[in-house]
Amino acid sequence: AAGVIQSPRHLIKEKRETATLKCYPIPRHDTVYWYQQGPGQDPQFLISFYEKMQSDKGSIPDRFSAQQFSDYHSELNMSSLELGDSALYFCASSSPLRARNTGELFFGEGSRLTVL
Amino acid sequence: GEDVEQSLFLSVREGDSSVINCTYTDSSSTYLYWYKQEPGAGLQLLTYIFSNMDMKQDQRLTVLLNKKDKHLSLRIADTQTGDSAIYFCAESISGGSYIPTFGRGTSLIVHP
Repeated sequence: AAGVIQSPRHLIKEKRETATLKCYPIPRHDTVYWYQQGPGQDPQFLISFYEKMQSDKGSIPDRFSAQQFSDYHSELNMSSLELGDSALYFCASSSPLRARNTGELFFGEGSRLTVL
Repeated sequence: GEDVEQSLFLSVREGDSSVINCTYTDSSSTYLYWYKQEPGAGLQLLTYIFSNMDMKQDQRLTVLLNKKDKHLSLRIADTQTGDSAIYFCAESISGGSYIPTFGRGTSLIVHP
């Protein structure tokens, strides 16, 4: 079965640079979520999109932005990178019906960003 | 996160039962989940329980919910080395987007 695809899997950037992470949800899933997981930390919710519109906002820094495109894939753009941005970034997808019934999100394998 | 707390490590012997505990603070939590994260992989939903339930059993997994104490536990019977992973407790609230709030995860180590 198709899963959530994230790219790149690993990314190394320097401070003050910009990075873009991509997420391709499971087919027919129209809701995408972004989480940030620092070393030894819990996954923190950043932002979510439903039908290409932002639906919820969590602890996403102002330096970050995201959007969902017409094919439902999503991109997380991070600018002016800081050392503290080094983390594993997860994307998850769901369909509203499934979310209402079980709250289940389907996670990708994550993109590991290292800021030097 | 601070709303969901778990112990960080648990070590068990293969074949024994594992019990991973979690406490949460939001009494309006509607769904409570256990997710599993294997090395280098994303989070995978293991099981979930509605807040109006006390127990849920699914093969080797048993979830117990004590709403009064806001305590959730996951019992894994006959623990195997393949169960070694990080287990995350999470809660979400109905009426919104069901966005799970995760704990910091319990690292389960199964040794022979």
